[in-house]
Amino acid sequence: GDSVTQMEGPVTLSEEAFLTINCTYTATGYPSLFWYVQYPGEGLQLLLKATKADDKGSNKGFEATYRKETTSFHLEKGSVQVSDSAVYFCALSDPLYNQGGKLIFGQGTELSVKP
Amino acid sequence: GAVVSQHPSWVICKSGTSVKIECRSLDFQATTMFWYRQFPKQSLMLMATSNEGSKATYEQGVEKDKFLINHASLTLSTLTVTSAHPEDSSFYICSATGLAPDTQYFGPGTRLTVL
Repeated sequence: GDSVTQMEGPVTLSEEAFLTINCTYTATGYPSLFWYVQYPGEGLQLLLKATKADDKGSNKGFEATYRKETTSFHLEKGSVQVSDSAVYFCALSDPLYNQGGKLIFGQGTELSVKP
Repeated sequence: GAVVSQHPSWVICKSGTSVKIECRSLDFQATTMFWYRQFPKQSLMLMATSNEGSKATYEQGVEKDKFLINHASLTLSTLTVTSAHPEDSSFYICSATGLAPDTQYFGPGTRLTVL
């Protein structure tokens, strides 16, 4: 079945450091890929998405490129801020496997940015 | 756009009582709503998928008689935890699709504590 694997956290960085959170997936069909962010005590917010191979999603300085050849969707940001501290979830939606738009989530990666 | 609300944001109840959680799409019609459960520092576990006017589809291992889901309109779904016990204490999150079929918009979550 479909699955998403993220790098384990927690990830601790200093402010203005470069961020990479790795995400790889397995899917039966041609999934859409997502990054969601969860701030402490809150629900998930959509950060960015990509719907087909080679698409790049971007938002708030974060980027991720849909790489079909490596089945990856790594999240990057050039210069993190303290306010980026949160848990980041990679997810996929595979219409061939999941009818109704179900999301399959990775386990989440906690990011802590120190001043 | 794409705002989903949940009410209440937190609730404390006694063991054996029932608790109802509401999920509303505020500015769009939600064709499908999803209910998740999240344990501390863990990923989201999909409990059920509901479409307006039809019975919810529950994931394997989720007790449908314990977690009653009603999706009476295109903007409202409710989750009722019946005869709650301390092990039901968790963070419950809903999401909705409608604007883009493969994108879920999440509510802020409801923290349930059963004493």
